[in-house]
Amino acid sequence: ILNVEQSPQSLHVQEGDSTNFTCSFPSSNFYALHWYRWETAKSPEALFVMTLNGDEKKKGRISATLNTKEGYSYLYIKGSQPEDSATYLCAFLDNQGGKLIFGQGTELSVKP
Amino acid sequence: NAGVTQTPKFRVLKTGQSMTLLCAQDMNHEYMYWYRQDPGMGLRLIHYSVGEGTTAKGEVPDGYNVSRLKKQNFLLGLESAAPSQTSVYFCASSPAGPLSTQYFGPGTRLLVL
Repeated sequence: ILNVEQSPQSLHVQEGDSTNFTCSFPSSNFYALHWYRWETAKSPEALFVMTLNGDEKKKGRISATLNTKEGYSYLYIKGSQPEDSATYLCAFLDNQGGKLIFGQGTELSVKP
Repeated sequence: NAGVTQTPKFRVLKTGQSMTLLCAQDMNHEYMYWYRQDPGMGLRLIHYSVGEGTTAKGEVPDGYNVSRLKKQNFLLGLESAAPSQTSVYFCASSPAGPLSTQYFGPGTRLLVL
């Protein structure tokens, strides 16, 4: 069973703080890593799909890095805003079965 | 363009009853997926489909069946519901394989008593 771990489980920050959290995944048989943003009472929305070791992606104030050799990805949010409050999910795709395995998510709460 | 829709939004079943959840997408996507989401756990894949007329098992397929008779629809069936199937069910679709972004529906909350 493939294990995808996200830490921390939850995070509370003040508006304006920058923050980051981690997704750990098996370093063997890597194919891709997805990041999704999931607001309460809505559906998950895609942020990034990352495939290459050393990859960096950016979307506004949110960016992500990828280290496939050691099996982790960081998601950074610069200058957090209350509207960034959501659960951030990562999902690992190996080159064997072709199915996404999701982590349990990091719940971010940004207080004004 | 409605994206991915799910019917119903909420349902209560008694143990042993059957029901079908409907997922529809209007984006002409090839791939469709059914996930369940339980407290403290990530989304877990139940079944998926790589195209009309095809289905395949995911991570937690037991107790569920699926059909993809039309490209735009993906049905999830529970033949004999059990309390362990109480969950929130999400459908998703993607234009191509799992390297492409998945678009999720709003979810169906199912309670099995």
